[in-house]
Amino acid sequence: DQQVKQNSPSLSVQEGRISILNCDYTNSMFDYFLWYKKYPAEGPTFLISISSIKDKNEDGRFTVFLNKSAKHLSLHIVPSQPGDSAVYFCAASPNAGGTSYGKLTFGQGTILTVHP
Amino acid sequence: EAEVAQSPRYKITEKSQAVAFWCDPISGHATLYWYRQILGQGPELLVQFQDESVVDDSQLPKDRFSAERLKGVDSTLKIQPAELGDSAMYLCASSLGLAGKAQYFGPGTRLTVL
Repeated sequence: DQQVKQNSPSLSVQEGRISILNCDYTNSMFDYFLWYKKYPAEGPTFLISISSIKDKNEDGRFTVFLNKSAKHLSLHIVPSQPGDSAVYFCAASPNAGGTSYGKLTFGQGTILTVHP
Repeated sequence: EAEVAQSPRYKITEKSQAVAFWCDPISGHATLYWYRQILGQGPELLVQFQDESVVDDSQLPKDRFSAERLKGVDSTLKIQPAELGDSAMYLCASSLGLAGKAQYFGPGTRLTVL
């Protein structure tokens, strides 16, 4: 049972354009969402997060949008740069209570390639 | 910038041998996590510590895996005996709190079991 899904295995965009990475979740207990970037042979690097009380959070070139009713979040990168080429993972954790408190559930990842 | 440290970075072992991985979290981070990542998938939580106490080890194969964080700082994950299916990246992460806080990952240990 995949509770967090990234349905696009890969995305290719031109340098300077917008990259939009999507993520869907099924567990209504999730209330904190994160995006990580991962290069080969390295650990994931935290990019940006959003709590369920918000629908948008922005940090420089990165913006995360959350649509709770659709159980969908997206990461926008504007403008995209070749150095952004990596695997992007979305992750979610549940609200307070229970043994799953704080536990991150990850999607399968989307490979982003930004062409010069 | 503070980072999570892990060692070794790479480990090759034969099946039935014992292996151990070490993690030193970011100073002041009370919560520590061990994840396993198989190629092409996202990381999956193995065990979660709050200080020296285990919060969640429901996904840890306890017949062969063990984890400890004796003084509530650094942590060791052990596999004994290793099996072929254990080949994966083992990631350690730490955070300031149990929830609502970003988890910061170390570089990982790539384990290959022959």
